[in-house]
Amino acid sequence: SQTIHQWPATLVQPVGSPLSLECTVEGTSNPNLYWYRQAAGRGLQLLFYSVGIGQISSEVPQNLSASRPQDRQFILSSKKLLLSDSGFYLCAWSAGGLYGYTFGSGTRLTVV
Amino acid sequence: AQSVTQLGSHVSVSEGALVLLRCNYSSSVPPYLFWYVQYPNQGLQLLLKYTSAATLVKGINGFEAEFKKSETSFHLTKPSAHMSDAAEYFCAVTNGANSKLTFGKGITLSVRP
Repeated sequence: SQTIHQWPATLVQPVGSPLSLECTVEGTSNPNLYWYRQAAGRGLQLLFYSVGIGQISSEVPQNLSASRPQDRQFILSSKKLLLSDSGFYLCAWSAGGLYGYTFGSGTRLTVV
Repeated sequence: AQSVTQLGSHVSVSEGALVLLRCNYSSSVPPYLFWYVQYPNQGLQLLLKYTSAATLVKGINGFEAEFKKSETSFHLTKPSAHMSDAAEYFCAVTNGANSKLTFGKGITLSVRP
């Protein structure tokens, strides 16, 4: 069966520090991968999605970047965190729209 | 283009009462529709999905939703609310096998004892 792993679960980082959040999927190949952010009261915001290795689409301009170095690995990064980067970050994978998304357990990022 | 509207941000019901969470969609082609539930500090979990088979879809935890093309709606219902149903619920739509999901803003369900 397919599983998705996301870590860490919580993270407190100072302003200006770098960020790396990792997401891996097991049990499938060539998944579509997604990074979302939830800020308080603002719903789900799609940050990046990827349909293959090295293929990244950015939905909104921001302080973050994403990479997909391997088929089932999706990394969210920042060189210098801002206070506004605080939020709940969710990774998800899909085999296609018909199947919906499967979400990871999320990372609570607090920038102080 | 596709979109989802979830009116309101919060619904409160008494334990044992009917749960009704509304979702209206817009899609230029026949849609695939989904309901997700999110408990605090957790990821989203799929409750149910409509993929052009039966219009009444049954999901986990006693929830069901009915696809009504004429009303462009996909409302989520549960006959009797339980305290454990308190969570945030998201409706989502996609219009193709490889298309991204578009999520609604979400609605928080509270259940009163």
